[in-house]
Amino acid sequence: DADVTQTPRNRITKTGKRIMLECSQTKGHDRMYWYRQDPGLGLRLIYYSFDVKDINKGEISDGYSVSRQAQAKFSLSLESAIPNQTALYFCATSAGRTGQHNEQFFGPGTRLTVL
Amino acid sequence: AQTVTQSQPEMSVQEAETVTLSCTYDTSESDYYLFWYKQPPSRQMILVIRQEAYKQQNATENRFSVNFQKAAKSFSLKISDSQLGDAAMYFCAYRLYGGTYKYIFGTGTRLKVLA
Repeated sequence: DADVTQTPRNRITKTGKRIMLECSQTKGHDRMYWYRQDPGLGLRLIYYSFDVKDINKGEISDGYSVSRQAQAKFSLSLESAIPNQTALYFCATSAGRTGQHNEQFFGPGTRLTVL
Repeated sequence: AQTVTQSQPEMSVQEAETVTLSCTYDTSESDYYLFWYKQPPSRQMILVIRQEAYKQQNATENRFSVNFQKAAKSFSLKISDSQLGDAAMYFCAYRLYGGTYKYIFGTGTRLKVLA
């Protein structure tokens, strides 16, 4: 089974709809992240969380919100989706200083299309 | 603020040949990590290789190796004996040692492998 899972894998929605993307991990990591990927722009950080009570904005948080329901779950919401939020969204995790090599582990991504 | 630059949006290499992907970064810190991730058409992000800035020796993983030039802030990836399965987007990433545990990604280089 995958260590970091995302649901849904693909989603098409309409402008103005509320959308939630979910992420779960079994790696036991305390740090979780949400990125969006756009062609030519790489991965940009939306939000990150170091534990259930610690949530931080990334470089492009406007129009998004998050919820850390448990150490293993981190959800991303688009309160009112707009077409320029069409992108590939990734959830990632990483361990703390004593963790495994310090790299991030990624989920499979969610392709979101807003019409 | 730290930045990561990949100046080659696209590269091509003949099968069995060697190719080098470039990455430069800007930071005023002395302790950090650098990573290369591969994103094949499946869109899964896969760690290729990592380098700790305090290590002078260049990291190597089978056919993948890096040329880490700390003073020049350069971190290039060399792929030897290129295979068709190496075709993917490659992202360079930076993470400060300790601190906020935020990762900064470059915009990516698309590698095509020609048979």
